[in-house]
Amino acid sequence: DTAVSQTPKYLVTQMGNDKSIKCEQNLGHDTMYWYKQDSKKFLKIMFSYNNKELIINETVPNRFSPKSPDKAHLNLHINSLELGDSAVYFCASSQGGAEQPQHFGDGTRLSIL
Amino acid sequence: GDSVTQMEGPVTLSEEAFLTINCTYTATGYPSLFWYVQYPGEGLQLLLKATKADDKGSNKGFEATYRKETTSFHLEKGSVQVSDSAVYFCALSGRRDAGKSTFGDGTTLTVKP
Repeated sequence: DTAVSQTPKYLVTQMGNDKSIKCEQNLGHDTMYWYKQDSKKFLKIMFSYNNKELIINETVPNRFSPKSPDKAHLNLHINSLELGDSAVYFCASSQGGAEQPQHFGDGTRLSIL
Repeated sequence: GDSVTQMEGPVTLSEEAFLTINCTYTATGYPSLFWYVQYPGEGLQLLLKATKADDKGSNKGFEATYRKETTSFHLEKGSVQVSDSAVYFCALSGRRDAGKSTFGDGTTLTVKP
């Protein structure tokens, strides 16, 4: 009965490859997010979708492309992976509204060789 | 724009010591304020929140009070345990841009027996 689930948990790949991370939430939330957390634990928002519509796109290289097939899913596709993409990527969801907290998945650790 | 400034870590305490992690914010209007905790290998999870001035959020022995006059939301616990070792994030969600939360840089807490 995991609320926000991401797959895979670990992703090890070569520079230049293309990879995808999937996220699903079963909380019935309208809004979903992707965050990047670096090795110093700094958390940076990348994208946010509300009811399948992109509402936040924070200065992210266009090699990163989110896709939301329905409001319960938000996937992240990354083209031409670079060394600097190594990080932990978190998916989150919320009901929307300033008073509602975000619910996070357990993260996908991406390592670029 | 909105911003959150947290006390720099890492913080190391002995078991049963008193904990304070400072958090101040800059925001337009009256944001909602949150503390999230991240245990090793996991995603962030909500620890407590406050949605208006003078509200006190509390959970698992942790407390924080929304102080509008000092724009602060300091996290406190009277007696920490080894199991409290984690990274703590202060965050705000503004009412104008309710789809987006602004996170502090995180403070790593280690509690030694």
